[in-house]
Amino acid sequence: KNEVEQSPQNLTAQEGEFITINCSYSVGISALHWLQQHPGGGIVSLFMLSSGKKKHGRLIATINIQEKHSSLHITASHPRDSAVYICAVRGSRETSGSRLTFGEGTQLTVNP
Amino acid sequence: NAGVTQTPKFQVLKTGQSMTLQCAQDMNHNSMYWYRQDPGMGLRLIYYSASEGTTDKGEVPNGYNVSRLNKREFSLRLESAAPSQTSVYFCASRSQGGAQYFGPGTRLTVL
Repeated sequence: KNEVEQSPQNLTAQEGEFITINCSYSVGISALHWLQQHPGGGIVSLFMLSSGKKKHGRLIATINIQEKHSSLHITASHPRDSAVYICAVRGSRETSGSRLTFGEGTQLTVNP
Repeated sequence: NAGVTQTPKFQVLKTGQSMTLQCAQDMNHNSMYWYRQDPGMGLRLIYYSASEGTTDKGEVPNGYNVSRLNKREFSLRLESAAPSQTSVYFCASRSQGGAQYFGPGTRLTVL
């Protein structure tokens, strides 16, 4: 079992729909990252969080440390949101280099 | 401010050839990383450098070497390329606050 599991692997939505991508992890963490990988391959950091909730525009990320679970929500989805969304965690035992462990990603396609 | 840059963007090698992937960041970050990304797998850490002058192995270091030339530059070398090293390679750096910044990636094919 991977340390970081994402669901679903693939998600297709209609423009305007509310989208949720889930991330579960099995280790103690000091931070969780949500990343977006565009069709052209570039990777952009969306959020870094260690507790609670963060919001940026139409994107909301939440984390429940006790349940070892995080969600990424997209409100009013748009075709330009089509991308791979990646969850990554930094283990709480990592003191050198702050290495991340990555999920396999969720391929989101938003149709017009 | 260019962020993290990588060269080359694409490369095709024959088995046994060597090459160096270059990475540089202009954000004065201490920590830098090399990852590979393969279909059906998450990004995997090859090597990292927590600060200038130090490097450490990650999850999949075999077949690779790295050099942290200075604070800006962190290069990845394949001494004798193998088809199993066909992948997309990403360099990244980490800010003091923990945010990760990725380069555009290098798509490497080993024939």
